[in-house]
Formats: sequence, structure tokens, C-alpha cells
Amino acid sequence: AQSVTQLGSHVSVSEGALVLLRCNYSSSVPPYLFWYVQYPNQGLQLLLKYTSAATLVKGINGFEAEFKKSETSFHLTKPSAHMSDAAEYFCAVSEGNTDKLIFGTGTRLQVFP
Amino acid sequence: DTGVSQNPRHKITKRGQNVTFRCDPISEHNRLYWYRQTLGQGPEFLTYFQNEAQLEKSRLLSDRFSAERPKGSFSTLEIQRTEQGDSAMYLCASTLESSGNTIYFGEGSWLTVV
Repeated sequence: AQSVTQLGSHVSVSEGALVLLRCNYSSSVPPYLFWYVQYPNQGLQLLLKYTSAATLVKGINGFEAEFKKSETSFHLTKPSAHMSDAAEYFCAVSEGNTDKLIFGTGTRLQVFP
Repeated sequence: DTGVSQNPRHKITKRGQNVTFRCDPISEHNRLYWYRQTLGQGPEFLTYFQNEAQLEKSRLLSDRFSAERPKGSFSTLEIQRTEQGDSAMYLCASTLESSGNTIYFGEGSWLTVV
């Protein structure tokens, strides 16, 4: 079965600093990988997805992620954090023919001024 | 707004009561999913419909839970004889069938069982 592991339940950065949120996946087949963001009391919004095209994927709000098969990783980065980036971030893998998503436990990003 | 719509957004109910949540997916999306999210956790898959057919159910979906999608459009998730452990956010999502397609989520329905 496919799964994702998010290392670090909380990440704190200063405004303007690099954001790095880690995600490792487990999959027996080439995966489809996703990053979603969730603001308080809201649903999930797609940041970006990897579907076996370019390994470096650019998303919304200046985020990007790199698919590294050798490391089974799909880490999310942003060069310069903004206060509005404070939220919960979820990595997910798409499973089988149903496209259902298997989520990690999430990483809460705090941004300090 | 033509996104995934869920209602009610918030529901407080007494233990033992039945509750029903409704989800209206994006028009023409033939796949619909229900997830449950508890505080501090990622969403957990509950069930999945392709058109009107319920094709997969998680073991998390006890016999007190039932989901329907008549006519392949909107869906309902009913919880009978609610328990305090059912308190969570119930998320609905939809997509058009195609591997790797973006799955769009609704704002969620918060359930508090007191």
C-alpha cells in the first residue's frame, strides 16, 4: 500500500527565510504526488502536483517541489516565507485506479516577523 | 462559485442522534470522495463513488455510517447513533476520472457530538 511520511509536525521560520517541508513516499509504482495547504477552519487547496512529467514542479504562491525517485522524496520549498504562508501543509499520494489520496499527518508552518 | 459545496458547515448534536451531511461536487465530476479529519491529523479516506456507484469503503466506515450518491450528482453522508468519537471535520472532494487529476475539496462540515 502507498503511504507518505511528513517529517516534522511543526516548522517555524522567520519572514523572508527559506521554507522546507519534508515528505517521503512509499509506492510500488510510479506515484502521483500532491501538496495541499489548509488554512484554519477551511478545506484543502492544491498547491502543486507531480504526475511524472518534470521532476521540479512549480505551484501557486511561490512554492515548488522536487520529485527525487532515488530518495523517495517530494519536499516542498519556498525561497522566502511570507506571513500569509502560515498554515497546515499536507503531502499526499494518489492510490491506484481510484485516484483516492493518502495523506500524511501534516506539517504546521509558523512564520514569525 | 462552482467549487465543491458542503452543508451544513457546522453541526452540534447530542450523542445518539443522527446527522446527515450533504456534498454538491463540481458539475460533471464523476468521482466523489468523503474523508474524515480529526484535530492534528491528516484527512482519512472514508468512501468513494464513481457516478452513483459506491466502489470503495474504508474500514473506518462502521455500520453506523452510510453514504449515498443518487443519480450520480450530490452525495449524502449519514451518521446514525452518533458517538463522541465521531466529532471531526468531514470533507468531500470531487474529480473527473483521469489518473493524476486534481481532486478538489470542499470547505468541510464540522461535527461536534456532545
